[in-house]
Amino acid sequence: EPEVTQTPSHQVTQMGQEVILRCVPISNHLYFYWYRQILGQKVEFLVSFYNNEISEKSEIFDDQFSVERPDGSNFTLKIRSTKLEDSAMYFCASSGRNSNQPQHFGDGTRLSIL
Amino acid sequence: DAKTTQPTSMDCAEGRAANLPCNHSTISGNEYVYWYRQIHSQGPQYIIHGLKNNETNEMASLIITEDRKSSTLILPHATLRDTAVYYCIVRTNAGKSTFGDGTTLTVKP
Repeated sequence: EPEVTQTPSHQVTQMGQEVILRCVPISNHLYFYWYRQILGQKVEFLVSFYNNEISEKSEIFDDQFSVERPDGSNFTLKIRSTKLEDSAMYFCASSGRNSNQPQHFGDGTRLSIL
Repeated sequence: DAKTTQPTSMDCAEGRAANLPCNHSTISGNEYVYWYRQIHSQGPQYIIHGLKNNETNEMASLIITEDRKSSTLILPHATLRDTAVYYCIVRTNAGKSTFGDGTTLTVKP
C-alpha cells in the first residue's frame, strides 16, 4: 500500500541553524500538510498546501517557516532559524484529489534543537 | 472549526468489540467525521471517515447519528495491538485537522 515517507527520521540541529524536513507524499495526491507534536502534547496543524500555494496556516506557522514542493515528488518544510521550542515530531500528510479525502500521515521526523 | 468531545480513556477486553463515542454537536452540513489512531509517537493512522451514512471497512465501522451530532467508532474484535489513542476529527474544507486529546483505548488480555 502506498505510504508517505519522511526523512530523516531524526534530525539534531544547533539553535539558530536552518533545517529542512523532507517528505515524499503518496504519488497521486494533490493536497499536502505539515503537523507537529511536541512531546506529550497534542498533534498541531501547521500548514496545508494545494496547487503550489498555501491553503491555510496556523499561528505557529510564522515567518520562520516555509514550505515548498520543489519537484513532482517532494514536499519540504524549512525552519530558517531554529529555536529550542521547535523541538518536536513533525508529521507530513497528503490526501487525494478531493479535499474531503482522508489524510495519510508519515511516521514523522523527530527534530531536536540543542 | 467544529469541536469534538471524547472520553479520556476506555478499557476493552481482547476479542470484544470496542465502542468509542464522539460528540460533534457543532458540525456543519458538509463536514466529514474522520477517525485516526496514534500508537506511541508514530504518525496518526487513518481508520475511517463518513458524512452521514454508516461506514464499514476492514478496520472498523463508523456509526453516525441521524442528526450528525455524534458518532461511534466500532472495532469489532479488539486485539492488544489496537491499544492506542483514538482521535475523532471534524475537518474544515481546507483540510485542517484539529486533534484533541483523544481517547486512550487499552485492550486487556
